[in-house]
Amino acid sequence: EIVMTQSPATVSVSPGKKVTLSCRASQRLARDLAWYQQQPGQAPRLLIYGASTRATGVPARFSGSGFETEFTLTISSLQSEDFAVYFCQQYNSWPLTFGQGTRVEIE
Amino acid sequence: QVHLQESGPGLVKSSETLSLTCTVSGGFISSYYWSWIRQSPGKGLEWIGYINNSGSTDYNPSLKSRVTMSVDTSKNQFSLKLTSVTAADTAVYFCASGGGPYVEWITPWGQGTLVTVSS
Repeated sequence: EIVMTQSPATVSVSPGKKVTLSCRASQRLARDLAWYQQQPGQAPRLLIYGASTRATGVPARFSGSGFETEFTLTISSLQSEDFAVYFCQQYNSWPLTFGQGTRVEIE
Repeated sequence: QVHLQESGPGLVKSSETLSLTCTVSGGFISSYYWSWIRQSPGKGLEWIGYINNSGSTDYNPSLKSRVTMSVDTSKNQFSLKLTSVTAADTAVYFCASGGGPYVEWITPWGQGTLVTVSS
């Protein structure tokens, strides 16, 4: 199975600042990668698929990039509702696998 | 807009079978692939498997020997059975749309249901 590794585990950022999260795959994925946001006590919410396509209703401050084994999620100007945990997921091959998550907390 | 809701016992005894059902509203179960995913502090998010309306399935090899998924199109529901559970199966279980061929990303998700395995 493909192992997904996210970094950092936790990042502290001030509101209004930019943050970039990383996700690395153990095998090449082309662009078969999705990003999710999870608020406490809630289910994950799809943000990005195809490495860079925003899901319906996702604000433009969220952007994804990357190819094959290195991917990033950037939030250009953090809003209060963006402080959450973010997961990447590969869908190049089954079983689908997720990264362990990056927590974005208020500095 | 598709909405999913998990239901089933929140407490299962060790060595017994975990059974959950997902009810789909706002859409037809015949239209997509449907997944079960679980989340625990120790293992993070783990994809369990998918099923479609015709009963075609694919399971995570790590759980394949213990998992069965089924679908009831007349009720717009799909179900999960996990046999011989242990404490390691304690997790929040989510049902969701996607995770199968053609739409491999997962959206939307149900709210999740906590299942605790007791000894």
